Amino acid sequence: DVKVTQSSRYLVKRTGEKVFLECVQDMDHENMFWYRQDPGLGLRLIYFSYDVKMKEKGDIPEGYSVSREKKERFSLILESASTNQTSMYLCASSRSTGSAFFGQGTRLTVV
Amino acid sequence: AQSVSQHNHHVILSEAASLELGCNYSYGGTVNLFWYVQYPGQHLQLLLKYFSGDPLVKGIKGFEAEFIKSKFSFNLRKPSVQWSDTAEYFCAVNAARGYQKVTFGIGTKLQVIP
Repeated sequence: DVKVTQSSRYLVKRTGEKVFLECVQDMDHENMFWYRQDPGLGLRLIYFSYDVKMKEKGDIPEGYSVSREKKERFSLILESASTNQTSMYLCASSRSTGSAFFGQGTRLTVV
Repeated sequence: AQSVSQHNHHVILSEAASLELGCNYSYGGTVNLFWYVQYPGQHLQLLLKYFSGDPLVKGIKGFEAEFIKSKFSFNLRKPSVQWSDTAEYFCAVNAARGYQKVTFGIGTKLQVIP
């Protein structure tokens, strides 16, 4: 079974803090994704990566950055957390020609 | 740029009723299409997918979807829903070639009443 593991299920951070969300996949997938899920807005793509050290902006990259130093790990960074970044964050991975597998999500609250 | 439109945002059905959830996509080239499901408190999981071939695809738990290229549609169907189908359903698309960015619709919440 493909496993996509996100480091935290719940996280509470203060406004202005730097926040790291970690994601690891164990199936040697080329592609990895970060989405945020908000009620009534569905899943919106923040960033994706198709190879180590490669990244592409998604639909809502502002306020976020990413890092992919190893194939299995894809990190999402909030440089200075703000309350409008309170959300559910979902990591996913896929092969170049496959469907995406999702982690369990990290519910981030910024206070 | 690709986009996905789901027409029904909240659907309430009685058990044994038939289900059809609409999905239309916008993209100029060849696409792969997906339906994902998120049961309450669980992570997103793949219900079914279309890459090529037979436009009628069957997925898990009795779900099926039909790709109609001329209508840019990929509607999800189930002849008889159960209470356990209560969940949120997401349609998704990515380009068949090039970067595999997956774009999702806003989701449809299905509530099945016993």
